[in-house]
Formats: sequence, C-alpha cells, structure tokens
Amino acid sequence: DAKTTQPNSMESNEEEPVHLPCNHSTISGTDYIHWYRQLPSQGPEYVIHGLTSNVNNRMASLAIAEDRKSSTLILHRATLRDAAVYYCILRSLDGSSNTGKLIFGQGTTLQVKP
Amino acid sequence: DSGVTQTPKHLITATGQRVTLRCSPRSGDLSVYWYQQSLDQGLQFLIQYYNGEERAKGNILERFSAQQFPDLHSELNLSSLELGDSALYFCASSVGLAVATGELFFGEGSRLTVL
Repeated sequence: DAKTTQPNSMESNEEEPVHLPCNHSTISGTDYIHWYRQLPSQGPEYVIHGLTSNVNNRMASLAIAEDRKSSTLILHRATLRDAAVYYCILRSLDGSSNTGKLIFGQGTTLQVKP
Repeated sequence: DSGVTQTPKHLITATGQRVTLRCSPRSGDLSVYWYQQSLDQGLQFLIQYYNGEERAKGNILERFSAQQFPDLHSELNLSSLELGDSALYFCASSVGLAVATGELFFGEGSRLTVL
C-alpha cells in the first residue's frame, strides 16, 4: 500500500473547525483514502473514506485534492470528544496483497482545548 | 459499541507464561483481524482470518498463533511471554474481505501486562 504522511500533532479550540492534512504523493488510481480515529483507551473507529470526490458524513468531511496527492479531513466544529489520534490510510482495490487489512501509520494526535 | 467483543479486558501474567485472548466478531462478519499496540510501535497488524482460514499475516512472532473457529470467533495465543509483549491487543472484524471500501469494526482491546 502507498505511504501517507501526517503531522505528528495538532491543536484546536473547541467549537472551531479543524483541518487535518494527509499527503499521499504516491497514491495510485485504485487507492481509496480512508480515515480512522482512535479515542483514548478505545479501539480505532472508522470516520470516512473517498476516492476522488469530496465526501461528507455525520462525523466529518473529506476534501480530496484534484491530483489526489493530498487530502484533508475536516471536523466542522471540534468538541472535546474529538480529541484522538487520526489515521489517514490508503487501501487499494488491486493486488494480491489486498485482503482488507488496514496498515496504520503514526497518525496525527489532535488536542482540543476548551 | 462496535459489536466486537474481546475478553479478557485486562490480563496480568508473568514472563514465560501463555495466555489466550478471545474475540467475538460482529454478527455476520466473516473476517477477523488482530492488532498489537504498544507505546513504541503503534498499531501493528498481526494476522487476519476469513471464514476460518488464514488470509494475511503481518508482523506476528512465532511464539504467537491464532485461529478462527467454525462459529467465527477467534483466539490469539501468546506463549513464552516476554516483557516486551506487554501491549494492547485489538481485534477487528468486517463483513467480508473489506477490500478497498469496507469498514473494519474494532473491539475495545485486551490489555496484557507481563511482569
């Protein structure tokens, strides 16, 4: 799977929008961009995924650059409960190595200040 | 609640011992994944089973083994335990192979402490 690069940590104020960046310059045409997050003392949970177009769901929005070499996870109004490690992961549709497993990087630790 | 159940939640044991961690996937999910999370290594993929058969292997030590039973629950066996095996062990499940678009559902983890 292609590699992603994320900042180690970010800070945000409560009630403000948060933009979490992810670079994936070696992304291939069949790679989907997934975001998971891990709240303290919990297992990771799915946030959102996309291929080319921007995506919205009840948790967040995913903005994908036109060249797909980067993406941004947007939390529209951060709450204290959004403090977590956010992981950007690429998952390919092709290849014998594609079994559905997720390979996690180091992620971005988001701190939300009241 | 993800629907994935892991037991025990906490386990303390001594070096050299053997433990078994159990995972019950979400109802209907055929694929089970095991992950190890330690402070210095992050979330590491260990192994995946799909409908009873091993599907993918990651950085799993030879001292560790896993299996998925006909009722689809899975067990991760850790033997000859060392201090460095202390970690959180997560189980996840998905409906099928999840491919590129499916979602993985994670349990709350089993925290293993080796003294």
